[in-house]
Amino acid sequence: EAQVTQNPRYLITVTGKKLTVTCSQNMNHEYMSWYRQDPGLGLRQIYYSMNVEVTDKGDVPEGYKVSRKEKRNFPLILESPSPNQTSLYFCASSIDRGLEAFFGQGTRLTVV
Amino acid sequence: KQEVTQIPAALSVPEGENLVLNCSFTDSAIYNLQWFRQDPGKGLTSLLLIQSSQREQTSGRLNASLDKSSGRSTLYIAASQPGDSATYLCAVEETSGSRLTFGEGTQLTVNP
Repeated sequence: EAQVTQNPRYLITVTGKKLTVTCSQNMNHEYMSWYRQDPGLGLRQIYYSMNVEVTDKGDVPEGYKVSRKEKRNFPLILESPSPNQTSLYFCASSIDRGLEAFFGQGTRLTVV
Repeated sequence: KQEVTQIPAALSVPEGENLVLNCSFTDSAIYNLQWFRQDPGKGLTSLLLIQSSQREQTSGRLNASLDKSSGRSTLYIAASQPGDSATYLCAVEETSGSRLTFGEGTQLTVNP
């Protein structure tokens, strides 16, 4: 089944403790991206990647890192999480920009 | 900076009604527009994608139109069903960058 898989689905952590949210797609898609969704602000793009080893900042990249060492994986790294990064995070992929986007199930992160 | 607005924020209708959801965007230089559905606790599912050169797309009971010059799109749902209850999001992809800019969504409830 074609899908985008995020892990974990739910995570509660403490301020400053490094964490990684994984994202994997099995559709051989070139384009992957991360979004966060917050009430009143909607979905905002954090980072995106056009291909392996190619990443770029989205609208709200501060406090996040990403890597794209393989086509299928695009992990989101929070080196020192803070409470304002409490949010619902989505990973998405598409075969190329401008084409249908497939989203993961989301990761609900709480930083206390 | 691109801004996407969706009206209404919430809509409740009886089963069987035809309905229209509205989306407007401020910068007409878009690559495409997508309509998504989001169910509680789940990710986003792409419903329809309209390229900037197209005027409309149809899938089953759904029809989306795009008027790029006026910065508007509508999603028409025919013969609504309780299973259509969800939040509907529109998003534009800009020609100037590789990001989707989302509206905040319309929360639709279809009552049996």
